[in-house]
Amino acid sequence: QKEVEQDPGPLSVPEGAIVSLNCTYSNSAFQYFMWYRQYSRKGPELLMYTYSSGNKEDGRFTAQVDKSSKYISLFIRDSQPSDSATYLCAPKTSYDKVIFGPGTSLSVIP
Amino acid sequence: EAQVTQNPRYLITVTGKKLTVTCSQNMNHEYMSWYRQDPGLGLRQIYYSMNVEVTDKGDVPEGYKVSRKEKRNFPLILESPSPNQTSLYFCASSLLATNEKLFFGSGTQLSVL
Repeated sequence: QKEVEQDPGPLSVPEGAIVSLNCTYSNSAFQYFMWYRQYSRKGPELLMYTYSSGNKEDGRFTAQVDKSSKYISLFIRDSQPSDSATYLCAPKTSYDKVIFGPGTSLSVIP
Repeated sequence: EAQVTQNPRYLITVTGKKLTVTCSQNMNHEYMSWYRQDPGLGLRQIYYSMNVEVTDKGDVPEGYKVSRKEKRNFPLILESPSPNQTSLYFCASSLLATNEKLFFGSGTQLSVL
C-alpha cells in the first residue's frame, strides 16, 4: 500500500461547481497535512496546511482532516477556470520531511 | 523576490553524456532537495541536503549525484544519463527540513535519447 493515495483524475467540472478532492494515507504519525497546487509546467506551491484533525478555511478553499479514518479532503467553492491545476496531497510527521501524493488533475470548464 | 531558480528549463541529451542541472535559492534556506516527477508516480525525492556539505539519498538516488558546497546552490549531476532518467525535475528548498512549506523551482524537462 502506498503511503499517500489520491485519485489521479482527471476531474472535469463546470465553472461555479463545488469541487471535492480527496486523499488517503497510511501513516498514523502524520500530523501536518498540506495541499500543494501545481499549474501545468510549473513547480508546486503550497496552497493550504492544517495541523491535526479538523477544518481550515481560506477564501473559497476548505481543507478537512479526519485522522481517525486517515482521510484528507480539499473543497473548492465557486470553482474558477484559474483553479485548473494538479492538486497534491502532502502530509508529514512533526519530525520528518513532506511526503507527496501522486496528485489529482482538475479542469474547470468555463 | 524570494525564489528558487533552476536551469535549464528544457534539456535534450544523449545516453552517456554527462550533464548538470543547476539550482539556486536566495532565501538563505538550510534545506534543499531534488525531485523527479513522472506520470502516475508523483514527486519522488532523489537527494536532499540539510545544510552545506551535508547531503543524503532520497527514495530514487541511483544514477544521480549532488553537491552542496555553498548554502544557496545545489546542483544535480547525471554522470552517465540513460533514457529512464527522462523526466521532469524540480529543485525545492525550505528554511529547515521539517518545515511544511517547500519552495519549488520551475522545473527542468530532461529528455535522454
